[in-house]
Amino acid sequence: ETGVTQTPRHLVMGMTNKKSLKCEQHLGHNAMYWYKQSAKKPLELMFVYNFKEQTENNSVPSRFSPECPNSSHLFLHLHTLQPEDSALYLCASSQDRGGYEQYFGPGTRLTVT
Amino acid sequence: GESVGLHLPTLSVQEGDNSIINCAYSNSASDYFIWYKQESGKGPQFIIDIRSNMDKRQGQRVTVLLNKTVKHLSLQIAATQPGDSAVYFCAENFWSGGGADGLTFGKGTHLIIQP
Repeated sequence: ETGVTQTPRHLVMGMTNKKSLKCEQHLGHNAMYWYKQSAKKPLELMFVYNFKEQTENNSVPSRFSPECPNSSHLFLHLHTLQPEDSALYLCASSQDRGGYEQYFGPGTRLTVT
Repeated sequence: GESVGLHLPTLSVQEGDNSIINCAYSNSASDYFIWYKQESGKGPQFIIDIRSNMDKRQGQRVTVLLNKTVKHLSLQIAATQPGDSAVYFCAENFWSGGGADGLTFGKGTHLIIQP
C-alpha cells in the first residue's frame, strides 16, 4: 500500500468548492487509474493514463477533471460536485496498460455537502 | 450492466475452515482475472491473478480456479484466519487485441471469520 499514496485521506467540500485529489506512485509504473467506490456499487473505473496520456474516460461528468503531469503523479480536480459524488476515490497504478496487476492507494474519502 | 458479479454478498466461515468465494463473469473475451481483498479503511490489496490460458493457479494459502466454459471464477482460501476477514472482489480485464485498460469489478463478498 505504501507504493501508492493519496492525499488527502478525507475531504469534505461544499457543492461550490474547488478541490484536488493527489496520487503518487513510487513503483516506476507507466499506467495510472482513478476509480470511484460508492457504498452500493462496484468499483467504477473513471480514467486511465498511460505514459501521461489519457487512454480511457468512462463517461465521467466534466465536473471531474484529471491531470497527469508525469508517470508518477495523478490528480483529480473537483468542482461544483453533487452530493451523489460522495464516495471513496481510489488511485491505482500498473506496470503497463491492461492485463497487469494494479496496485491501489488507500483512497480519499470524499463527502460533498 | 455489470460484466462481473458475485453470487453471495456475505460468507461466514469458522476459523480454520476453508473458504470458497465465487464470481461469475459475462464477457467471454476477458483474458485476465484478478482477486482483491479490501479491509476497512484501506484500498484493495492484490491476492492472486490468472490469465485465460490457465485454469488454476496457486499462491500462499489461496487458489484461483477459472472455468471458461461456464464463465466462473473462484477463490479458495485454506485454513482461514481472523486476518482474512475482509471484502473480496473479483475483477476482469479484456486487454488482448486492444481492449480496455482498466479493470471491471464485481460487487464484492464480505468474508466473516467466526472464532
